[in-house]
Amino acid sequence: GQSLEQPSEVTAVEGAIVQINCTYQTSGFYGLSWYQQHDGGAPTFLSYNALDGLEETGRFSSFLSRSDSYGYLLLQELQMKDSASYFCATRGNQAGTALIFGKGTTLSVSS
Amino acid sequence: NAGVTQTPKFQVLKTGQSMTLQCAQDMNHEYMSWYRQDPGMGLRLIHYSVGAGITDQGEVPNGYNVSRSTTEDFPLRLLSAAPSQTSVYFCASSLTGLGNTEAFFGQGTRLTVV
Repeated sequence: GQSLEQPSEVTAVEGAIVQINCTYQTSGFYGLSWYQQHDGGAPTFLSYNALDGLEETGRFSSFLSRSDSYGYLLLQELQMKDSASYFCATRGNQAGTALIFGKGTTLSVSS
Repeated sequence: NAGVTQTPKFQVLKTGQSMTLQCAQDMNHEYMSWYRQDPGMGLRLIHYSVGAGITDQGEVPNGYNVSRSTTEDFPLRLLSAAPSQTSVYFCASSLTGLGNTEAFFGQGTRLTVV
């Protein structure tokens, strides 16, 4: 099976940088995705890493190290609207299966 | 564009009642999934489908049935509701099952079983 571990909560202030870590255990690996979910809303896709290294999308970046079974989401220039839950996710242990999610990290940004 | 549509948005059931949560997508996606979300537990996979006529179990399938007779629709049936099934249910779809494929979620169904 698969499991993904991430911290339950992270707090930061506006303008700061925060890193949300994710470690995974999978019998096969088909990349690591990140999703954002605001309170009461639906999850939305943020980024995806298939290979080692950093992927940058505006203020958000995602990093993957396959040898360490580890990835992280980096949020820069934090804004109040970034307060949300963030989930790492991977596909199942064979290609073409559904996404499996970590339990999520709640980010609280204060002024 | 409608995307993924779930109905109803809210539902209260009595223990033992049955009901069907509807999910429809208009993006011609092959892959569809159902998740439940409980506080502190993240999104847990209930059932998924890789195409019309094909379904498979996820992490927490007990108490739920699915079918996929068309590409567009993927209903979730609760056969005999229990208080433990009180949760928020999300339906998701994606074009393929490849790792880099974005999943699109519906707005959720908030179910309370009393």
